[in-house]
Amino acid sequence: DTAVSQTPKYLVTQMGNDKSIKCEQNLGHDTMYWYKQDSKKFLKIMFSYNNKELIINETVPNRFSPKSPDKAHLNLHINSLELGDSAVYFCASSQPLGEQFFGPGTRLTVL
Amino acid sequence: SQKIEQNSEALNIQEGKTATLTCNYTNYSPAYLQWYRQDPGRGPVFLLLIRENEKEKRKERLKVTFDTTLKQSLFHITASQPADSATYLCALSRGDPGKLSFGAGTTVTVRA
Repeated sequence: DTAVSQTPKYLVTQMGNDKSIKCEQNLGHDTMYWYKQDSKKFLKIMFSYNNKELIINETVPNRFSPKSPDKAHLNLHINSLELGDSAVYFCASSQPLGEQFFGPGTRLTVL
Repeated sequence: SQKIEQNSEALNIQEGKTATLTCNYTNYSPAYLQWYRQDPGRGPVFLLLIRENEKEKRKERLKVTFDTTLKQSLFHITASQPADSATYLCALSRGDPGKLSFGAGTTVTVRA
């Protein structure tokens, strides 16, 4: 029974396209996150939502827009994709101040 | 600016030995610190959490220490096994709900 799931697992697309990544958690957590892990394996937080409300918004280009339709889902939409957006994107969830549970990741390749 | 450094990118050890990983931080006052394990192609998995007022935590063969004076955490894997081979990430939080800052990780390889 998957705790945090993401789709798709792989995403290959051309520069300039718009794409979305979906995330769902069945742990009953109030807080969800998006992280970006670059080629050097450095994991950096992008956004966090608590009960559908945005609480963390790091310095991320406006082309990235998170959307939380309910507290079990947090989607990430990316407009006008650039080469530098190629990375692995992880969704995670937790209770506030608790351990975080990560999804399997979405490997985005922009050509 | 805030910095989180993990001692080395890679650590190779013999099975049965103790692996010791270091996480140092500067310009940061963490309320707690977490350690995660990441296997290739997978998301990080939580291992241990230690708070600023705690010196040491243990879980099975894992031990974490936290020294806020030295601004350092040590992560030990005792009686290491090839299955312990993975990348280990330290992550710090000031207590902002959920906001974790991660180090770059140390990749541990345990030789049989």
